[in-house]
Amino acid sequence: RKEVEQDPGPFNVPEGATVAFNCTYSNSASQSFFWYRQDCRKEPKLLMSVYSSGNEDGRFTAQLNRASQYISLLIRDSKLSDSATYLCSTGGADGLTFGKGTHLIIQP
Amino acid sequence: DAGVIQSPRHEVTEMGQEVTLRCKPISGHDYLFWYRQTMMRGLELLIYFNNNVPIDDSGMPEDRFSAKMPNASFSTLKIQPSEPRDSAVYFCASSLAGSGNTIYFGEGSWLTVV
Repeated sequence: RKEVEQDPGPFNVPEGATVAFNCTYSNSASQSFFWYRQDCRKEPKLLMSVYSSGNEDGRFTAQLNRASQYISLLIRDSKLSDSATYLCSTGGADGLTFGKGTHLIIQP
Repeated sequence: DAGVIQSPRHEVTEMGQEVTLRCKPISGHDYLFWYRQTMMRGLELLIYFNNNVPIDDSGMPEDRFSAKMPNASFSTLKIQPSEPRDSAVYFCASSLAGSGNTIYFGEGSWLTVV
């Protein structure tokens, strides 16, 4: 059974702080790795892909550790607008398996 | 560019009634996925199609659920008869082979069975 596990939170973080989430996955055959963002009562939207070499997009950095089967997301200088649920996902062409998400609340 | 389009956005129905959810994938995408999201179970993959052909329906919870994709631009997910435990958000998503397996979601169909 393919599983993706995340700490559900909530993470309450002051504006401007740095916050990091991890997730672990069980399917060692996974080919692709992503972080999606989901706002309340909205659909998940792609935040960024995750590569073994690590990748950065502005304030967001994602990292993949295949040996330990975990994925991380780092958010620097957090903004109020970063408040959302962050879903970790893995898979391939046969679809993605999602974690239940980590709820982030940025406080002013 | 138009994204994945789903209808209805919201539906409230009585137990025992038939429910049909509709989806139009992103034009040119060759994979279509149906997911269900609940607080308890999160996002679950129900079924996916490749080039209109159902490939894996192992996530479909029961025989009450069925899905079709008669052409590249339309798919349906049907529940007959519906039960209160089917209440959830049903997302359709699509992807394009060779694009790194990124999937794009529609806005979802919010189903309440009373």
